[in-house]
Amino acid sequence: NFMLTQPHSVSESPGKTVTISCTRSSGSIASNYVQWYQQRPGSAPTTVIYEGNQRPSGVPDRFSGSIDTSSNSASLFVSGLKTEDEADYYCQSYDGTTVVFGGGTKLTVL
Amino acid sequence: QVLLAESGGGVVQPGGSLRLSCAASGFSFTIYGIHWVRQAPGKGLEWVAFIRSDGGDKYYADSVKGRFSISRDNSKSSVYLQMNSLRADDTALYYCAKERDTVAVTYYFDYWGQGTLVTVSS
Repeated sequence: NFMLTQPHSVSESPGKTVTISCTRSSGSIASNYVQWYQQRPGSAPTTVIYEGNQRPSGVPDRFSGSIDTSSNSASLFVSGLKTEDEADYYCQSYDGTTVVFGGGTKLTVL
Repeated sequence: QVLLAESGGGVVQPGGSLRLSCAASGFSFTIYGIHWVRQAPGKGLEWVAFIRSDGGDKYYADSVKGRFSISRDNSKSSVYLQMNSLRADDTALYYCAKERDTVAVTYYFDYWGQGTLVTVSS
């Protein structure tokens, strides 16, 4: 099984852009889609990006995603940061019938 | 709208059993697979199990294989997670989540319930 590694925390000022990385330990990042979930304190996760770069309806276009095969990683970009974006973010992918989540990144908007 | 409501959590002693339920509404339940995902207190997300729409395919995380069993009753729009031989490290908030696709298993959870808390402690 592979692992997805995320930074433990990131912080940035309102209005700025932040990038959260998600590096796959083995196997290609491009072999299976990557999803990104946002989890605010005390709430269930919600999807901000699915299939690498798709936004569910209702998610603002300030959220975007990409993958980089050279670094075997996926990235979540959040532009025009707002205080409401402060949350934990998890990347997720799979291989066969095994699902893997990253350890989560706490985004602080200060 | 899509709603998933978990129930059945509680406090159980190590080695004990518990059965969780997930009641679904607001979508065609019989054509979608359902996942269970858990989150230990203060920790990250961990996928637990999946059941296909017709109950024909069931997949489990290695950490629960042989101890947990997933099932569904399409007449009641419900999915169940039978948890046996519970251990302290099974303590978590257990979410049920809807699979996005109706045919392939994409492991993309497009709707989540609010979770039910399971505490394994003596």
